[in-house]
Amino acid sequence: KAGVTQTPRYLIKTRGQQVTLSCSPISGHRSVSWYQQTPGQGLQFLFEYFSETQRNKGNFPGRFSGRQFSNSRSEMNVSTLELGDSALYLCASSLGPPRPQLVTGELFFGEGSRLTVL
Amino acid sequence: GNSVTQMEGPVTLSEEAFLTINCTYTATGYPSLFWYVQYPGEGLQLLLKATKADDKGSNKGFEATYRKETTSFHLEKGSVQVSDSAVYFCALTRRNAGGTSYGKLTFGQGTILTVHP
Repeated sequence: KAGVTQTPRYLIKTRGQQVTLSCSPISGHRSVSWYQQTPGQGLQFLFEYFSETQRNKGNFPGRFSGRQFSNSRSEMNVSTLELGDSALYLCASSLGPPRPQLVTGELFFGEGSRLTVL
Repeated sequence: GNSVTQMEGPVTLSEEAFLTINCTYTATGYPSLFWYVQYPGEGLQLLLKATKADDKGSNKGFEATYRKETTSFHLEKGSVQVSDSAVYFCALTRRNAGGTSYGKLTFGQGTILTVHP
């Protein structure tokens, strides 16, 4: 079955602009999580959505936001871009509650959207 | 809070050498532990997992044992191949009160492994 699909794969923005990234989870997966990956900070959790509700949120400023649609697809938005927002943004999907997964916490990652802020 | 500490890299080995990548964690309660691998140009993939103390996770010749007494989850492989060259991440997630874990993982910094022929 198809994996997690993220679009766009690459994008370049300038400071002050905003960006929207999209993620289509694996069919049947209802939970979507977002991570930021940078050489300095590594992988950091942004937020998680399930049934269109944000369930967890990491320690990022309010410029970072997300949402999930009824078909489980998710978008994340970063407003007023800063140079430090340059990163690989990874989306991951999982089955989510209420049915416990066979392997709790097992995530399926997309290839990421690489954002460069100039 | 939760944290994961991995050995500093990069690690460079010759083919067929023995691999160990150390991972220790700090967490309250009973976390589940994972090793994820990221091949060049790809997203992360789950390599192996362990959900309770003394569990041994294994996959593709890699093994890791959940050691609660030393709060460790070291990754080992007896004979590495060139195709094992990748970045390896140790991670944990806490079970919530209902026993299920959601999508919030705490990752270590990652260890770059390069295997030469």
